[in-house]
Order: sequence, then C-alpha cells, then structure tokens
Amino acid sequence: GEQVEQRPPHLSVREGDSAVITCTYTDPNSYYFFWYKQEPGASLQLLMKVFSSTEINEGQGFTVLLNKKDKRLSLNLTAAHPGDSAAYFCAVSGGGGYQNFYFGKGTSLTVIP
Amino acid sequence: AQTIHQWPVAEIKAVGSPLSLGCTIKGKSSPNLYWYWQATGGTLQQLFYSITVGQVESVVQLNLSASRPKDDQFILSTEKLLLSHSGFYLCATTGGMAEQFFGPGTRLTVL
Repeated sequence: GEQVEQRPPHLSVREGDSAVITCTYTDPNSYYFFWYKQEPGASLQLLMKVFSSTEINEGQGFTVLLNKKDKRLSLNLTAAHPGDSAAYFCAVSGGGGYQNFYFGKGTSLTVIP
Repeated sequence: AQTIHQWPVAEIKAVGSPLSLGCTIKGKSSPNLYWYWQATGGTLQQLFYSITVGQVESVVQLNLSASRPKDDQFILSTEKLLLSHSGFYLCATTGGMAEQFFGPGTRLTVL
C-alpha cells in the first residue's frame, strides 16, 4: 500500500521566518493530496487540498507545492506567526479507492515570538 | 453544511471495562464514515470505515469493533479496554473532492 513519509517531525522557527514541511509518497496513482492543521487538544482542520492536475496552491500565509515526478508534497508557511504553532499532517488518497487515506506522521511546529 | 458530533467529549475508564463511543453526521445522506485513533505523540491510524448501513470494514482492529446501526451513526466499542486504547478517537466523513472532515474527537484515558 501507499507509504507516506513526513519530515521533519519537529520544527521550531522564529516569528516572521518561513517553515517548510515535506511529504513523500510511493503510489504513483495517488491523486488527491491534503494538508491538515491540528491545534493542541483539538481535532484536525483541513488546510488545503491539491489535486494531481495542479502544482501550486496558495492559501492565507502558506503555499502548497506538488511535484508528481518526485512524488513530493510540501507546505511552506511564508511568514510564520505564533498562531501557526500546531501539528501539521499531510494526507494522500486516491491510489486504491476513496477509503484509502494515508497520513504522514505529522510535524509539530513551534513559532517563537 | 454537514456537521459531525461525537460523544462523549472525554472518558476516563478502568482497564477491563467496556467502552462505547458514538459519532453522528448531520447534513449529508449516505455518508462514508471512518474511525481514527491518534496515539499520544500524534500518529493517526485509520481503524474502520463504512460506506453504508450495516457494513463496516476493519483496517486495524486493536481489539475494537465498530458498527453502523443507522445511516448517520457510527459506533466504536469494545467489551474490555486495554491501557493501549488510551488516545484521541476521531470520526470522519468524506467531502465532495475526497477530502476527509473530522469531528471534534473523544479523548479516552484508560487507567
């Protein structure tokens, strides 16, 4: 089945700096890619979704890049602020059916004021 | 818009005691439903999924079982809790473009 590797597991940056989280996946048939944010003690919140027909998606304060050739997905927080401190998870789906939803192990991001 | 309700919000239970966690989806008919377990430390593990009433597929059992008694309801249970069952249990449903939306979760502590 699909294998999703997420790096780094922990990331600490200063306010205003950028933060980059990367996931690699193995199934070339994967088609849907997602980033979730989980604040301490809370559930998962969908941050961004990317489909294999797109390569770059921009949100409020972050950019998601998809490189299908390298099977790599990245989340770039462009100017981190303390409210970005949370756990971030990538997820990959579509390779073997809609029920197959594979998460990375998560990245704990701390933004230091 | 669909809403996901989970109950209880939190539970503290003894080893060997039974458990029942519930999930209800409103605003969507015939939803695909999932149970996830999140251990302390953050890794998410899909446990079960269901695409229709009465049908549940197991992904990883962990000495747990799931049932779908109604179109909008998904139940996770066990007759005997283990210490290793502690964690955060999340119910999820699929959106229009394969994304999954998560309920608020139930935090379980087994002592």
